Amino acid sequence: GESVGLHLPTLSVQEGDNSIINCAYSNSASDYFIWYKQESGKGPQFIIDIRSNMDKRQGQRVTVLLNKTVKHLSLQIAATQPGDSAVYFCAERSNQGAQKLVFGQGTRLTINP
Amino acid sequence: EADIYQTPRYLVIGTGKKITLECSQTMGHDKMYWYQQDPGMELHLIHYSYGVNSTEKGDLSSESTVSRIRTEHFPLTLESARPSHTSQYLCASSEYSGGKETQYFGPGTRLLVL
Repeated sequence: GESVGLHLPTLSVQEGDNSIINCAYSNSASDYFIWYKQESGKGPQFIIDIRSNMDKRQGQRVTVLLNKTVKHLSLQIAATQPGDSAVYFCAERSNQGAQKLVFGQGTRLTINP
Repeated sequence: EADIYQTPRYLVIGTGKKITLECSQTMGHDKMYWYQQDPGMELHLIHYSYGVNSTEKGDLSSESTVSRIRTEHFPLTLESARPSHTSQYLCASSEYSGGKETQYFGPGTRLLVL
């Protein structure tokens, strides 16, 4: 069945450093992936997405990498800032069946001053 | 910013009460969703709708019910609240375009059942 999971539940980095958040997925039929950021007391907020016909996509200070061979997704955040502290979720969408989003467990990113 | 709203933001209620959590979106999205989430944990889909008069149960069994009489409105009802229903409830809507389907979330309703 479908499953999306994160390798690490927590990650602490120094302000200004780069951070990498990883995600593994198991459904080879997934063709669309999204990273969400959820700050305390708020709903998840869209960060960046990638379709399966790409292996890299860049946004402002964020990069998503997709490795379909090993079913791995990562989110890189450059020059982290205190405002980056949040829980980050990856989500996958299958091109088959009900085509719902499946969310991973979440990684809590803490930025140390 | 997504135009999706949830009320109330916080609710404390006694066991056995009937409650309705409201969700509205002004983006004209056909698809809407309800998720249950414990703090810092993953999101569990409990209901979704692909349009007016369409409702489906999600992956997580829930004692709640939903209705979709209007495109912009997707309320969730608990007929008899229990302490096990204590959680955060997130509403989302989505649009499909160019092979992508992005879900936009509301701020959530944090429910505490005593």
